[in-house]
Amino acid sequence: GENVEQHPSTLSVQEGDSAVIKCTYSDSASNYFPWYKQELGKRPQLIIDIRSNVGEKKDQRIAVTLNKTAKHFSLHITETQPEDSAVYFCAATSSHTGRRALTFGSGTRLQVQP
Amino acid sequence: SAVISQKPSRDICQRGTSLTIQCQVDSQVTMMFWYRQQPGQSLTLIATANQGSEATYESGFVIDKFPISRPNLTFSTLTVSNMSPEDSSIYLCSVEGGIAKNIQYFGAGTRLSVL
Repeated sequence: GENVEQHPSTLSVQEGDSAVIKCTYSDSASNYFPWYKQELGKRPQLIIDIRSNVGEKKDQRIAVTLNKTAKHFSLHITETQPEDSAVYFCAATSSHTGRRALTFGSGTRLQVQP
Repeated sequence: SAVISQKPSRDICQRGTSLTIQCQVDSQVTMMFWYRQQPGQSLTLIATANQGSEATYESGFVIDKFPISRPNLTFSTLTVSNMSPEDSSIYLCSVEGGIAKNIQYFGAGTRLSVL
């Protein structure tokens, strides 16, 4: 089955700096890669996703890149703000197989220092 | 996106009892899933709730412990049976919603504490 590894486990940046979180996946059949943000006591919220037919996707201050050959994808947050502080999870799945549940990475706790 | 109502939001239960968690969606969805999130950890899939047939369980999770119902395309329940303190966790339902495949939305979760 799919295995997703995520690094780093914690990340502390100064407000205004950039943050990068990296994930690798094992199953070459995976073709959908979402990122979720989870604030303390809240549900995971989808913030951006990418499919395997594109290499990069951007939405304002956040972007995701995908390298299918190396089986890794990354979340980039620019101009970080204190409200970006949360736990971020990457995930992977395939739309082609019967199992469409997400396999999650272990999470990254991002702290943005004002 | 789908609107998901999950209840209860939290409960404190005694060892040996059972708790049933409900997940209601505001539109018909094909795929519904149940995840567990232990304190400070990531999300682990318990099972996929299949409409009209038995749920598909992940390795390490069994039907006797986590029976699931999916009577229609908008509703599912997860029961945590014969609870022990190790079952203390957050349980989340999610649905695959929207036009594009794979996009999943989560319920607010049920925070379960077992004494």
